[in-house]
Amino acid sequence: DTAVSQTPKYLVTQMGNDKSIKCEQNLGHDTMYWYKQDSKKFLKIMFSYNNKELIINETVPNRFSPKSPDKAHLNLHINSLELGDSAVYFCASSHRLAGDNEQFFGPGTRLTVL
Amino acid sequence: GQQLNQSPQSMFIQEGEDVSMNCTSSSIFNTWLWYKQDPGEGPVLLIALYKAGELTSNGRLTAQFGITRKDSFLNISASIPSDVGIYFCAGSSSNTGKLIFGQGTTLQVKP
Repeated sequence: DTAVSQTPKYLVTQMGNDKSIKCEQNLGHDTMYWYKQDSKKFLKIMFSYNNKELIINETVPNRFSPKSPDKAHLNLHINSLELGDSAVYFCASSHRLAGDNEQFFGPGTRLTVL
Repeated sequence: GQQLNQSPQSMFIQEGEDVSMNCTSSSIFNTWLWYKQDPGEGPVLLIALYKAGELTSNGRLTAQFGITRKDSFLNISASIPSDVGIYFCAGSSSNTGKLIFGQGTTLQVKP
């Protein structure tokens, strides 16, 4: 009965590679988000999608591309990985259109770029 | 851009003590949320506040939405070892769902 799930939990890869992180929510929410948490634990929003439509796109390098095949899934693809991309990436979801901004987070994906 | 200042940055307390932490913003928020993050896990929502002046409790936790809409506090009463973790405030002022997070308060509880 997992609410927001992410795969993989850990991802170790070489600089220059391309990788994807998957996220799924079974809460029936209409909006999904990607956050990045750096080594100092600071959480910053990257993207949000509502029903497959991009709503928020912060100043993120265009090597990062979110893809939402349906409103229950929001994947994050990262091209040409760099050392500075190492962080923990969290997916979240909310029922935003109902006026509810309570966001529920997944367990995170720890990305390490070598 | 909008910023949240959360304090204190860390706290080390004795089991049974009460704890208070707060967040202040340079601008007005319509929503304040408080989260707790355990090591290796995602943030878990503790309390959500939607109205200025609102005071809401969740067990031993109490949070308030400041009257000015620029601040919020979280109190934990009678702390226990499992309260250990990082507590984050988050605020939103837009209808896009964008949350701005505070820097976090790391709480350690000595049994």
